[in-house]
Amino acid sequence: DGGITQSPKYLFRKEGQNVTLSCEQNLNHDAMYWYRQDPGQGLRLIYYSQIVNDFQKGDIAEGYSVSREKKESFPLTVTSAQKNPTAFYLCASSIASIPSQPQHFGDGTRLSIL
Amino acid sequence: AQRVTQPEKLLSVFKGAPVELKCNYSYSGSPELFWYVQYSRQRLQLLLRHISRESIKGFTADLNKGETSFHLKKPFAQEEDSAMYYCALAKGGGSNYKLTFGKGTLLTVNP
Repeated sequence: DGGITQSPKYLFRKEGQNVTLSCEQNLNHDAMYWYRQDPGQGLRLIYYSQIVNDFQKGDIAEGYSVSREKKESFPLTVTSAQKNPTAFYLCASSIASIPSQPQHFGDGTRLSIL
Repeated sequence: AQRVTQPEKLLSVFKGAPVELKCNYSYSGSPELFWYVQYSRQRLQLLLRHISRESIKGFTADLNKGETSFHLKKPFAQEEDSAMYYCALAKGGGSNYKLTFGKGTLLTVNP
């Protein structure tokens, strides 16, 4: 069954801790994205990757880091530098990062601060 | 900078009534516009895109460059249309690529 898998579904973090959110896709897509979704804010882009070993900052990259060592995987680390990490995080992918290609989304991870 | 505006946070209609979800954009180039939908307990998914000029689940959306709008319409709303709808604009490519979302409209279709 093709698609995007995000894990875990719920994640709790203590103050000062880094935490990594997993995103895996088996769609053979080159491009992958991380968004943050807050109530009333829509989706805001954190980072995206056009291809393996490449990634660019989005609108709200501060306090986050990513890696793209494999085509199918694009993990997001929320570092202790992110002052307001409580949010819903969505991972997406597309065939390529060109405007005509739609993005496919995972189910999301909800991160909360303890 | 590109911007997508969905003026209605909430929209409530009765079953069988027409529905229109508004989307306005600001962008100087030729936009690629999309509507995404998120039903309760489901993942965000593509509903339709303007380049396809298709009707999905009875919904249509016409790009009006003069009014910089891409409103989503359906002549007869159904209860299963209740969901969160996001308008999105894509531009550029490669390192210049960007997909900008509106803040969304929550549509409720009452029986």
